[in-house]
Amino acid sequence: AQSVTQLDSQVPVFEEAPVELRCNYSSSVSVYLFWYVQYPNQGLQLLLKYLSGSTLVKGINGFEAEFNKSQTSFHLRKPSVHISDTAEYFCAVSDGQGGSEKLVFGKGTKLTVNP
Amino acid sequence: EAQVTQNPRYLITVTGKKLTVTCSQNMNHEYMSWYRQDPGLGLRQIYYSMNVEVTDKGDVPEGYKVSRKEKRNFPLILESPSPNQTSLYFCASSGWRKETQYFGPGTRLLVL
Repeated sequence: AQSVTQLDSQVPVFEEAPVELRCNYSSSVSVYLFWYVQYPNQGLQLLLKYLSGSTLVKGINGFEAEFNKSQTSFHLRKPSVHISDTAEYFCAVSDGQGGSEKLVFGKGTKLTVNP
Repeated sequence: EAQVTQNPRYLITVTGKKLTVTCSQNMNHEYMSWYRQDPGLGLRQIYYSMNVEVTDKGDVPEGYKVSRKEKRNFPLILESPSPNQTSLYFCASSGWRKETQYFGPGTRLLVL
């Protein structure tokens, strides 16, 4: 079964600093990878996803993530964060071909951007 | 407007009193799913459905039931709620599991 590990439960940063939120998944032949964001008191919305092709994926709000198959990682990055990026971020994985239909989420990383 | 709706948004109930949380989507999506979110545990999938009359267990199905009689609706049923089912519940839908999942606004449930 797939599993996802988000290595940091909380990440505090200053405004305009770069940030990386780390995500590792259990190995599989092929996977689909997602990053979702949850703003306070709201549901989740998709930031970006990797299905196949280029390993560098660009998403909304200036975020990007890189799929690294050898390291089974899908880290999320932003070169300069804003106060409005304060939210909880979830990495998720599902089997790429056949296999389980489940979508498995990590436990989340709370990003706090301080002025 | 494309959306997933859930009702009720907030619910306080007592142990053992059956309840249903409704979920409806207007995007003609095949795939629908229920999650619960608990502090420090992230989102855990309860049940999912690939299409009408096709449902399967997620990671934490105990104590829950679902049905998919119509494509747009996917209600979550708690036959005999217990305090450990106090949680924030999200319904989601997508065209297929590899596509973007659209989440509802959430239902906050408190079981006394």
